[in-house]
Amino acid sequence: QAVLTQPSSLSASPGAPASLTCTLRSGDNVDSYDIYWYQQKPGSPPQYLLGFTSNSHKQRGSGVPSRFSGSKDASANAGILFISGLQSEDEADYYCLTWHNNAWVFGGGTKLTVL
Amino acid sequence: EVQLVESGGDLVQPGGSLRLSCAASGFTFTSYWMTWVRRAPGKGLEWVATIKEDGSEKYYVDSVKGRFTISRDNAKNSLYLQMNSLRAEDTAVYYCGSPRYGHWGQGTQVTVSS
Repeated sequence: QAVLTQPSSLSASPGAPASLTCTLRSGDNVDSYDIYWYQQKPGSPPQYLLGFTSNSHKQRGSGVPSRFSGSKDASANAGILFISGLQSEDEADYYCLTWHNNAWVFGGGTKLTVL
Repeated sequence: EVQLVESGGDLVQPGGSLRLSCAASGFTFTSYWMTWVRRAPGKGLEWVATIKEDGSEKYYVDSVKGRFTISRDNAKNSLYLQMNSLRAEDTAVYYCGSPRYGHWGQGTQVTVSS
């Protein structure tokens, strides 16, 4: 079972909200892990969006619009990235990331299409 | 302003070697764990290796253990990745940075092909 699982794709309309999930594998408690969210567009490096630490501290990347937010959902054992009011430039790949057993682990990524 | 500039990527034959470099500026390099990640064509981001601030701890993804070596020179604010016994599946854009703080370079292309 993968450490972090993300849906492979998601589609939504401009102006609509989008919720991207990142589920931690069974047996690992999401509240015990820092979860980071990245956006990547073709030909560009990863862009840091948000981070949620194990002590509930939230951090936002420099210049990241306020319509990007997120949280941890303990009941789902998942991290959530929420984008309100989708814009065309939000079309990208989104990755969650955590430090797990002395390794950085990425989720498989969600390709977000805005159509 | 934080700057990370990777270099050293190239076209190399299977079994060959490359050394990637990452020049850091704009932050206290000696205070940060540093990491290499990569993105292969058609695939997602993959962590490759991480090194502690003083170089005393190093961690690698299983697929590169024994072939790649991460190192740093704190006097030169530089990070390195020595890549030996390269395989076609190592073809990717390689990025250096700090995942926890979101700083990344623009990447350097490594292509392994005959």
